[in-house]
Amino acid sequence: GAGVSQSPRYKVAKRGQDVALRCDPISGHVSLFWYQQALGQGPEFLTYFQNEAQLDKSGLPSDRFFAERPEGSVSTLKIQRTQQEDSAVYLCASRPRRGFEQYFGPGTRLTVT
Amino acid sequence: GESVGLHLPTLSVQEGDNSIINCAYSNSASDYFIWYKQESGKGPQFIIDIRSNMDKRQGQRVTVLLNKTVKHLSLQIAATQPGDSAVYFCAGLNTGGFKTIFGAGTRLFVKA
Repeated sequence: GAGVSQSPRYKVAKRGQDVALRCDPISGHVSLFWYQQALGQGPEFLTYFQNEAQLDKSGLPSDRFFAERPEGSVSTLKIQRTQQEDSAVYLCASRPRRGFEQYFGPGTRLTVT
Repeated sequence: GESVGLHLPTLSVQEGDNSIINCAYSNSASDYFIWYKQESGKGPQFIIDIRSNMDKRQGQRVTVLLNKTVKHLSLQIAATQPGDSAVYFCAGLNTGGFKTIFGAGTRLFVKA
């Protein structure tokens, strides 16, 4: 079946631009996670949704980062006024109602110039 | 604090040999651990998991060992193949919550 998909796969933004990253989770998966992965590092938790409810956003680096999942399926991570330190791979993962295994998408590589 | 870290950043093994990747964790609240494999340009892929009430779990060519006394995890890959070349992450989770803490990763190189 279809896995988690993310778009775009690559995004180049000039400093100060706003970007929107999309995640299409596996159909029926209740939980959705966003992670930020810097080069050579492990993924770092950003935020978590259960259905449409954002239950934790403690990992978002600043108020320039905003995530939503209005209908409990597709999610968008928005970064306003991008900075160079925002350059990273942004990973989305979804998880079914039972179990703890997360299914990751391929990520969006964001480069801020 | 919460952290899951690895002893070595890279590991190079000969094809056919066994690989052992180590990981230390500091968060005693983690009661579930997962090993992920990440190939270039892809997201992490689940390999094997283990609950804190176990000390060993085996999968196909992989074994995870957990030593809670010293807060140490290891991933053993038998008869390592070129397709095993990737970055391997350990991750810890408190099953009462949802936040997964990843280590920095070990890059495994398999020499033919």
